Amino acid sequence: IVLTQSPGTLSLSPGERVTLSCRARQSVSTIYLAWYQHKPGQAPRLLVFGASTRATGIPDRFSGSGSGTDFTLTISRLEPEDSAVYYCQQYGSSPLTFGQGTKVEI
Amino acid sequence: QLQLQESGSGLVKPSQTLSLTCAVSGGAIGSGGSSWSWIRVPPGKGLEWIAYMSHSGATDYNPSLKSRVTMSADRSRNQLSLKLTSVTAADTALYYCARGSVNDNYALGVWGQGTMVTVSS
Repeated sequence: IVLTQSPGTLSLSPGERVTLSCRARQSVSTIYLAWYQHKPGQAPRLLVFGASTRATGIPDRFSGSGSGTDFTLTISRLEPEDSAVYYCQQYGSSPLTFGQGTKVEI
Repeated sequence: QLQLQESGSGLVKPSQTLSLTCAVSGGAIGSGGSSWSWIRVPPGKGLEWIAYMSHSGATDYNPSLKSRVTMSADRSRNQLSLKLTSVTAADTALYYCARGSVNDNYALGVWGQGTMVTVSS
């Protein structure tokens, strides 16, 4: 299942709200849709699984939503440390696939 | 606390075999409710899934790599292995192992720090 993320890059200011999009060419099981944050020199970090459930320790300013072929990750109040590349992933159908990523610059 | 540590051949010549190990501590790789994956990030590119193994040892591979890749587990050493044959420069990447847990619907909640592999003569 091909996942297409948009936009490719965003440049924003602290305190702003941002919505990242992940669109699938075919329907994805909501149960198996996840979002990750990846910073240079660090391991990727799971933010959201099941399309909308925050992983342990993730601040509530991160929220996921969507179903079918359209999913979003919203960061309600950007912090400087949110600069990263964000990926969606589906793992309900083989092969597991990632979107190409959205780079967020603060 | 579960921890993963990748290691292996940092520099591999073209056409040779890349071999990586993921040492798991703080939990058994055969424990129910866990699955294991290898993912890589080529320089300047995004995450690419390579291979998957369930707690029972069933495996699945990225079709684009399936003819060259093998993932295995050594339960006595509590470690995972990845072998990729006939490597080319396109296999140069940062390689990660990661764990999926039933608690996270098997999303990849724990990652190692990654190990860089360069394919060059």
